[in-house]
Amino acid sequence: GESVGLHLPTLSVQEGDNSIINCAYSNSASDYFIWYKQESGKGPQFIIDIRSNMDKRQGQRVTVLLNKTVKHLSLQIAATQPGDSAVYFCAERAAGNKLTFGGGTRVLVKP
Amino acid sequence: SAVISQKPSRDICQRGTSLTIQCQVDSQVTMMFWYRQQPGQSLTLIATANQGSEATYESGFVIDKFPISRPNLTFSTLTVSNMSPEDSSIYLCSVRILSGNTIYFGEGSWLTVV
Repeated sequence: GESVGLHLPTLSVQEGDNSIINCAYSNSASDYFIWYKQESGKGPQFIIDIRSNMDKRQGQRVTVLLNKTVKHLSLQIAATQPGDSAVYFCAERAAGNKLTFGGGTRVLVKP
Repeated sequence: SAVISQKPSRDICQRGTSLTIQCQVDSQVTMMFWYRQQPGQSLTLIATANQGSEATYESGFVIDKFPISRPNLTFSTLTVSNMSPEDSSIYLCSVRILSGNTIYFGEGSWLTVV
């Protein structure tokens, strides 16, 4: 079936630097994409989303970029903080509001 | 946003027993879903909980093993039946709220089967 994958399983970043998490998706019919953050012992927390008719969306310290030509999604975190340490999942929505999740990237912030 | 409450938050269960997980949402939702997250892995959709009718199951999941109810718009239950150690996972309730596209998750129910 269709799947969403990630390029890097673990990302180590120095505190204060910018982080970039990448995600490849394969379902060209997906119309909506979401990034979630999951801290240890907790459920996934919504970070930011983007519709397929957009190529960029910004939030507080986070930016999501969508490149439909190559089916690529990225999450940029500015000035990464220790509290950003978590596993990050991308997800795509196709028919029926069902989400397909990527494998996850662990972000480790070094002080 | 939505506040999603799941019970129990954690449990240790004996193999062969069944456990029912409850999910309560504080706002009107259009859709409710149940996901499983096995240790160290990503999330997999079990089923869509339909109000007043049988849930819609994904490939690899069956009603006999994971019966689901949704008696009203804001409440659903998932039962994990005849549990084995392979069922040790986090079970997550998620919802799409009435006023937007975003899909939110509860904190999960962490089950360990011994």
